[in-house]
Amino acid sequence: NAGVTQTPKFQVLKTGQSMTLQCAQDMNHEYMSWYRQDPGMGLRLIHYSVGAGITDQGEVPNGYNVSRSTTEDFPLRLLSAAPSQTSVYFCASKGQYTEAFFGQGTRLTVV
Amino acid sequence: GQQVMQIPQYQHVQEGEDFTTYCNSSTTLSNIQWYKQRPGGHPVFLIQLVKSGEVKKQKRLTFQFGEAKKNSSLHITATQTTDVGTYFCAGREVNAGGTSYGKLTFGQGTILTVHP
Repeated sequence: NAGVTQTPKFQVLKTGQSMTLQCAQDMNHEYMSWYRQDPGMGLRLIHYSVGAGITDQGEVPNGYNVSRSTTEDFPLRLLSAAPSQTSVYFCASKGQYTEAFFGQGTRLTVV
Repeated sequence: GQQVMQIPQYQHVQEGEDFTTYCNSSTTLSNIQWYKQRPGGHPVFLIQLVKSGEVKKQKRLTFQFGEAKKNSSLHITATQTTDVGTYFCAGREVNAGGTSYGKLTFGQGTILTVHP
């Protein structure tokens, strides 16, 4: 049972480049979320999903897109990376009555 | 929207001292969860509190949920170097409708440093 798998672990982008952070869970959880973690800011919610085909914005959605075509996958897309998006990104999944399970994180640097 | 505030932001203690972090929500919560993140790691679930006034213990850790279900605390007795990390509270707003029932809001976290 792999839990929540996030790839890549590390990434360096140039300003303006695009990329997709992958997240997959094998626990058949309905809820999946993306957070970014910056020093002193805790975990801030970017986007979340309550099931395939249903997504909604969190606290800091600008500059990020998501889609949920399957229960298992919830990719996060950066269309045009900016230095302000340098952060550690965490994907999490949660069942209706369970705790949240986090992936290992992606450390992204935008130069 | 819902806000979850956590204090203090940082806490430095000597090994053996006690530690407490406090969590306050702007809205009533259906439940509150606590997570621990070791340096360089990812958040890991510790416990969930559901009932008003609930108190739960895990060895040296004591968790409380306020009577109004808007605040919570985590107390560690006699800290050890293994307690080092960031402690987060997270809650879901009661009666959250639409897609919000899947939304878990985290506090900013308290970073605990333990000096041997």
